[in-house]
Amino acid sequence: GESVGLHLPTLSVQEGDNSIINCAYSNSASDYFIWYKQESGKGPQFIIDIRSNMDKRQGQRVTVLLNKTVKHLSLQIAATQPGDSAVYFCAESGGYNKLIFGAGTRLAVHP
Amino acid sequence: DGGITQSPKYLFRKEGQNVTLSCEQNLNHDAMYWYRQDPGQGLRLIYYSQIVNDFQKGDIAEGYSVSREKKESFPLTVTSAQKNPTAFYLCASSTGTGNQPQHFGDGTRLSIL
Repeated sequence: GESVGLHLPTLSVQEGDNSIINCAYSNSASDYFIWYKQESGKGPQFIIDIRSNMDKRQGQRVTVLLNKTVKHLSLQIAATQPGDSAVYFCAESGGYNKLIFGAGTRLAVHP
Repeated sequence: DGGITQSPKYLFRKEGQNVTLSCEQNLNHDAMYWYRQDPGQGLRLIYYSQIVNDFQKGDIAEGYSVSREKKESFPLTVTSAQKNPTAFYLCASSTGTGNQPQHFGDGTRLSIL
């Protein structure tokens, strides 16, 4: 597979537990945020997004929380499964539909 | 199925050679993007195009060139001026209207011979 994420921080969880992946963003003026999942050798896959007028948004098994006061974003995955193992990236809007990506966090799910 | 197709999946470049990476989308998206991904780092923007016949430099455009002659196509050329081209290259597209998610292809891995 690709060598993406060789030196990334890793979150290890047991199958069935809930996972929380955190992200600090840089620009207090950013008004749009996205979480992506990237599996080895593939492109990032959209998971969920949130706009700055919200502080929480839920999807299927995932929840994104936004704390604008401390410029913090988190992704919560309920009942984590082996198929959730991947690198997760947060991204913030950079204007003109540009996105600024974080370095990523590797999620390792153990049986 | 609608999506973004990048080709080839693996590409090798000789010293002093220009190579072109293909990106095609059938999502009818106006905006397209090229990113570079290195191990342990997030994606960095090389070039983007919000509409046909127009494109803008991203954060690391030196040594790269693009064209946008058709809405569905946004090829990236890695020129010999790019001294460290070994990376995973990702193409994305979006509707281009306001803040919308970008949808990615499965990348091209470029290596130096």
